[in-house]
Amino acid sequence: QITLKESGPTLVKPTQTLTLTCTFSGFSLSTSGVGVGWIRQPPGKALEWLALIYWDDDARYNPSLKSRLTITKDTSKNQVVLTMTNMDPVDTATYYCAHRLGYYDNSGYWRYYFDYWGQGTLVTVSS
Amino acid sequence: QSVLTQPPSASGTPGQRVTISCSGSSSSIGTNAIHWYQQFPGTAPKLLIHSNNQRPSGVPDRFSGSKSGTSASLAISGLQSEDEADYYCAAWDDSLNGHWVFGGGTKLTVL
Repeated sequence: QITLKESGPTLVKPTQTLTLTCTFSGFSLSTSGVGVGWIRQPPGKALEWLALIYWDDDARYNPSLKSRLTITKDTSKNQVVLTMTNMDPVDTATYYCAHRLGYYDNSGYWRYYFDYWGQGTLVTVSS
Repeated sequence: QSVLTQPPSASGTPGQRVTISCSGSSSSIGTNAIHWYQQFPGTAPKLLIHSNNQRPSGVPDRFSGSKSGTSASLAISGLQSEDEADYYCAAWDDSLNGHWVFGGGTKLTVL
């Protein structure tokens, strides 16, 4: 059974750096094809993908936010950490982490998608 | 502004068939699979359809997905009141070193 849970501050001040931790169970981030991503959702607005780290330490970032984001993993602790610098009130959102599955299906196609999500954590940016 | 375009709202009466569209680009939907998520207020998104038209275990067969070119659709047949939720499409985009993109979401109302 795969579970993920986000943790971190609920309130940060403008210009501060946000550090969020995703603690997961039921899978290993050293397994080929596996990844963990971060997605956020401002109140009443759409989902926005932030970053993704793969089993092999490769990482991808939202091009619009790349300069502010860093994603790392600690396989031994089953954790993925996201840092976002220079926080602004517009960054107020619920932040989710999600398991990205990757596999070859019976037809030889590479399939990959976010299948399990954490419950999310609301981060408010305010002075 | 979301990279995948969805209508902000859709509606139908119980029993009806409703479709929700998702439009992308050649580097997103045109090349990669589309996935759909269902989200109820105050909860995390739930995977509804993956790889264009595959239902995860436990998802009713009333939900189906399709893709053609740079567009995709989610269809819900035999609409039920409990289907009232927000629906999001998502795809990998090969441009700019690769990144995930989501649609702006569609609020489905069951009248």
